[in-house]
Amino acid sequence: NAGVTQTPKFQVLKTGQSMTLQCAQDMNHNSMYWYRQDPGMGLRLIYYSASEGTTDKGEVPNGYNVSRLNKREFSLRLESAAPSQTSVYFCASTILPGPQETQYFGPGTRLLVL
Amino acid sequence: AQSVTQLGSHVSVSEGALVLLRCNYSSSVPPYLFWYVQYPNQGLQLLLKYTSAATLVKGINGFEAEFKKSETSFHLTKPSAHMSDAAEYFCAVSPNDYKLSFGAGTTVTVRA
Repeated sequence: NAGVTQTPKFQVLKTGQSMTLQCAQDMNHNSMYWYRQDPGMGLRLIYYSASEGTTDKGEVPNGYNVSRLNKREFSLRLESAAPSQTSVYFCASTILPGPQETQYFGPGTRLLVL
Repeated sequence: AQSVTQLGSHVSVSEGALVLLRCNYSSSVPPYLFWYVQYPNQGLQLLLKYTSAATLVKGINGFEAEFKKSETSFHLTKPSAHMSDAAEYFCAVSPNDYKLSFGAGTTVTVRA
């Protein structure tokens, strides 16, 4: 069991470039999440998918899009990267979309936008 | 809206000393509460969670937390710090939906 995997681990972009962050889980979880982590701000939810076929905005969705490709995979796309999107991005999953559910996190993608 | 406040962005303790990390939340109803730990260059992992079964919750690695409704607090403690406890700790709250709100985090350093 690999758990939650993320690719790439590190990426450098120029302003205006686009890229897709990939996330996959092999735990047969129904719900998946994308967060960004910035110093002194904890983790903030970008988008989430309560179940396959559904996606919803979180706290900071501007500048991002997501695709729940299937039950295992949930990708995050930056259409036109900006320096303000320099951050560490984490994907997470839960068995069910309940408030008591434990979230399982991937190792993160470190993104630098120049 | 939910909010979580972690008092102190950085805590330094001696090896063998008590670790106390403070977390307060704002909520009109008792929420679900979590503590997650992040080791350097890794993702977050669950330490413990409160789901209303018991007010004193025991977690992994000797950590525990007590839910105090009257104080809207969920402070994390460990009686004796170990060098391996050096990490960043996040308190998080989930009300009646399934979205977590995280505190800003507290970095713990352990002095030999």
